[in-house]
Amino acid sequence: DTGVSQDPRHKITKRGQNVTFRCDPISEHNRLYWYRQTLGQGPEFLTYFQNEAQLEKSRLLSDRFSAERPKGSFSTLEIQRTEQGDSAMYLCASSSWPSRGVTEAFFGQGTRLTVV
Amino acid sequence: LAKTTQPISMDSYEGQEVNITCSHNNIATNDYITWYQQFPSQGPRFIIQGYKTKVTNEVASLFIPADRKSSTLSLPRVSLSDTAVYYCLVGSNTGKLIFGQGTTLQVKP
Repeated sequence: DTGVSQDPRHKITKRGQNVTFRCDPISEHNRLYWYRQTLGQGPEFLTYFQNEAQLEKSRLLSDRFSAERPKGSFSTLEIQRTEQGDSAMYLCASSSWPSRGVTEAFFGQGTRLTVV
Repeated sequence: LAKTTQPISMDSYEGQEVNITCSHNNIATNDYITWYQQFPSQGPRFIIQGYKTKVTNEVASLFIPADRKSSTLSLPRVSLSDTAVYYCLVGSNTGKLIFGQGTTLQVKP
């Protein structure tokens, strides 16, 4: 499978614990995005990278969230001191930019986080 | 980024054509219009993208009037498997994707 891969698919953690998610984008894609989605809502933008550079981070994102893409390939999203409000689906996507024709982002299956 | 407005939900029957309209009154000159589809517990999937007039692919058609303040996604002859949430996104191709609440399409037998 050469699509976007996310690990783990599901994570249950206790409030106050730290969690880290991994995203492996499509190999030739230089852009990588992180989104968060809660039930009944559209995906909410968190941050995105071009290669290893983090180009933008949502102002809604608290300091407990950090993302890295150290070698411009896979990325990690860490949430420190988790809260129940962090429970959501965390989606990763990748794309190639610039691109000829349409710009299409490919999404992974997501990591579902439950904070208890 | 241009804000989009689309119906919260729509119902249809198998075999019918479904048209979902999205309003984006503040679209900028360099903005594209893109539609994504999302099934439960899956990430969104790209459907179609356009800038003006009409775009058609094997899945859908996208109609964009001359003023570009709205767009219509057309799904021909829907089936039960087209039941999903459909998102209209407007933005330049240079940055992030901003999703709204989407339109939940329910296809009935």
